[in-house]
Amino acid sequence: EAGVTQFPSHSVIEKGQTVTLRCDPISGHDNLYWYRRVMGKEIKFLLHFVKESKQDESGMPNNRFLAERTGGTYSTLKVQPAELEDSGVYFCASSQTGGLAYPRGHEQFFGPGTRLTVL
Amino acid sequence: DAKTTQPPSMDCAEGRAANLPCNHSTISGNEYVYWYRQIHSQGPQYIIHGLKNNETNEMASLIITEDRKSSTLILPHATLRDTAVYYCIVRDPGTYKYIFGTGTRLKVLA
Repeated sequence: EAGVTQFPSHSVIEKGQTVTLRCDPISGHDNLYWYRRVMGKEIKFLLHFVKESKQDESGMPNNRFLAERTGGTYSTLKVQPAELEDSGVYFCASSQTGGLAYPRGHEQFFGPGTRLTVL
Repeated sequence: DAKTTQPPSMDCAEGRAANLPCNHSTISGNEYVYWYRQIHSQGPQYIIHGLKNNETNEMASLIITEDRKSSTLILPHATLRDTAVYYCIVRDPGTYKYIFGTGTRLKVLA
């Protein structure tokens, strides 16, 4: 079974440009998450989709970040316009449907990440 | 803020058991404890999780104290490939998001 995949693996852009990151979750996983690690900091939650709906976007830093998940399959995270402080590694994760009372705790499976460098 | 506290680094001799502690003194009754690790710049890799009882799988064992305020991840026979940053995470059942702390950087020595 394929794991979570992310594209591109690396992206180098100029400040002010736009970048779109893509995440393909594990097939059948309704929950999709975005996280990021900026240099020297901890991994931080950005947002959570359940199918195509945004369940929690409390971690989105500002309105330059737009996440979508049309059709409830893959997701994109667009940064427009990119700033220097957006540099970091963006991780996507997915988990099975189970609801908040899912007895086994539905662990999240992470992709390899996209390393974004804004110059 | 992270709900867990871990030592920043540990060393372990190859072939020996690696015991990684985690404090989660504010954990509530229905919060799970998860362990992940991150090797180099790869994505975090799931290891194991538990609620109350000790758990074991092909990768590791998880020992949770009776009061659930702390836990220990045990890698029974550490290898060089186990060198990584290990994260202990307590997930609030009211939300799905993980709150990562700084983790423990485990170095397995030959």
